[in-house]
Amino acid sequence: DVVMTQTPPSLSVAIGQSVSISCKSSQSLVYSDGKTYLHWLLQSSGRSPKRLIYQVSNLDSGVPDRFSGTGSQKDFTLKISRVEAKDLGVYYCAQTTHFPPTFGAGTKLELK
Amino acid sequence: EVQLVESGGGLVKPGSSLKLSCVASGFTFSSYGMHWIRQAPKKGLEWIALIYYDSSNKYYADSVKGRFTISRDNSKNTLYLEMNSLRSEDTAMYYCAKYGGYGYWGQGVMVTVSS
Repeated sequence: DVVMTQTPPSLSVAIGQSVSISCKSSQSLVYSDGKTYLHWLLQSSGRSPKRLIYQVSNLDSGVPDRFSGTGSQKDFTLKISRVEAKDLGVYYCAQTTHFPPTFGAGTKLELK
Repeated sequence: EVQLVESGGGLVKPGSSLKLSCVASGFTFSSYGMHWIRQAPKKGLEWIALIYYDSSNKYYADSVKGRFTISRDNSKNTLYLEMNSLRSEDTAMYYCAKYGGYGYWGQGVMVTVSS
């Protein structure tokens, strides 16, 4: 199975700061169609996960452009600019390139 | 608007069975594969099963293979997860999700396995 390694496990941030979360995969996530199926999800407290970014860098509808995703092959980053209180929660990267689909262990973003 | 609503969870004893349902709306259910994903308390996300749009293929995580069965009824827009021989380690929130990069999730249903 593809192992997804997220760092850091937690982040303390002040409102208005910018943060980055890293996600590294044990194999390249480029599929045979040339696309990279790496996604970012946010799980706010007591809620189900919500996808923010799909295929590395595409923002889901309604997601503010303070969020951005970059990366390729095995190395990916989620950046959040000007953090707001509603951004707090646990962020997961997920890959659906290889079977079975796998998730990172999560990065908890909390207020400093 | 896509909606996925799970039901059927509860408190059960080890070794017993339970069947979860996920009713879908807002999209053509019969055209999409569906996942079940679970999350143990205070833990991360674990994919456990996938069924193709036409039930032609079903896949399971090793942790549930042979004990859980995924199925669907396209006439009822409903996905199921039949869970047998439940263990304490199956205690989790269970989510259904639409195939296609985890863009849509249900609200989840809690399953607690305890004597």
